Amino acid sequence: QKEVEQNSGPLSVPEGAIASLNCTYSDRGSQSFFWYRQYSGKSPELIMFIYSNGDKEDGRFTAQLNKASQYVSLLIRDSQPSDSATYLCATPGGAQKLVFGQGTRLTINP
Amino acid sequence: NAGVMQNPRHLVRRRGQEARLRCSPMKGHSHVYWYRQLPEEGLKFMVYLQKENIIDESGMPKERFSAEFPKEGPSILRIQQVVRGDSAAYFCASSPRTPARDTQYFGPGTRLTVL
Repeated sequence: QKEVEQNSGPLSVPEGAIASLNCTYSDRGSQSFFWYRQYSGKSPELIMFIYSNGDKEDGRFTAQLNKASQYVSLLIRDSQPSDSATYLCATPGGAQKLVFGQGTRLTINP
Repeated sequence: NAGVMQNPRHLVRRRGQEARLRCSPMKGHSHVYWYRQLPEEGLKFMVYLQKENIIDESGMPKERFSAEFPKEGPSILRIQQVVRGDSAAYFCASSPRTPARDTQYFGPGTRLTVL
């Protein structure tokens, strides 16, 4: 059974700083990872996916994957109050479903 | 290009009643997934369907819950004889292919409250 672990937080970061969110996974065979953002009372919204070791950048967001250490991270540069949300890490659990971590609640303080 | 649609957005039921949740996938998507999110928890997989077929229902409770995705019309998640513990947000997601190869896009969810 695949497991994905996240620190539930809350994680507080001052506006303009870098927010770093981490996720570890149990199955060394996991190949792809997804980061979703979920505002309170809303649905998850895909913001990044990563398949290869290393970094993937998209605007202010950078996803990092280290398969040897079995962790995935999401960096948010120049954090804005609008980035305050819960961030969910997920990986396919077999071909049919996504296995989610419990999410990290991020608060950006103005 | 409409996204995943779910209705109703909010549903209130009394204990013992039935709840029917509907999901229309994105255009061109033939894979539908249902997830449940209890308060302050992550999303848990319930069931994966393609048209007229249940592919994986390993996350579905054995009793009272059922799902279908008919040839015509939306996917339906049905909960019979609801109990207070069924109160949660139920999200539907769709993808054009299986998630190992493609991303899933989520609908707005149905928030079920059981009184």
